Amino acid sequence: SQQGEEDPQALSIQEGENATMNCSYKTSINNLQWYRQNSGRGLVHLILIRSNEREKHSGRLRVTLDTSKKSSSLLITASRAADTASYFCATVLTGANNLFFGTGTRLTVIP
Amino acid sequence: DTAVSQTPKYLVTQMGNDKSIKCEQNLGHDTMYWYKQDSKKFLKIMFSYNNKELIINETVPNRFSPKSPDKAHLNLHINSLELGDSAVYFCASQQGQGSGYTFGSGTRLTVV
Repeated sequence: SQQGEEDPQALSIQEGENATMNCSYKTSINNLQWYRQNSGRGLVHLILIRSNEREKHSGRLRVTLDTSKKSSSLLITASRAADTASYFCATVLTGANNLFFGTGTRLTVIP
Repeated sequence: DTAVSQTPKYLVTQMGNDKSIKCEQNLGHDTMYWYKQDSKKFLKIMFSYNNKELIINETVPNRFSPKSPDKAHLNLHINSLELGDSAVYFCASQQGQGSGYTFGSGTRLTVV
């Protein structure tokens, strides 16, 4: 069954604003990853956060992880039109290796 | 210098045909995967290969068979194609446990 669910399903913001996407999952994880998918393209790995980490940064990206609530958030600061894409969270379950993907958030950044 | 390359990018075929999708990675990664993305954008793992050994085989019909001639290649062969097989198929590779995946650009399969 599907491991993660993301919220919101779609998000539309103005360029320069911040975008926050949330991911909830169901079982114990080894790590959680965020990916971006531009329309008609493959997925691009953005950031990985391990179960013993609470926050990670990469450029304009900030990811948090709350294992007690089984949730994660992805914050994109100072959004740009080029950030328009679908964003997926994916989890690696404890003791496993393959990724289970969430439902995705469709982000539209309006110039 | 594409890291993970898939061919073909588009594939249109009739029901009942047999087709293959090829995947190659030049990253020296040990593990390769096949994922299926349906019309609702949901991604589901199909297979993974680690050093030419199948280590995951989810509930995928046996019409689908992965073939790995070497560590850099993981091809997907599909027999007796059905309408429901229409989807985008992604190949991916991974350096080791605890690292991110590198995805190919996908193969859009349409069965008519």
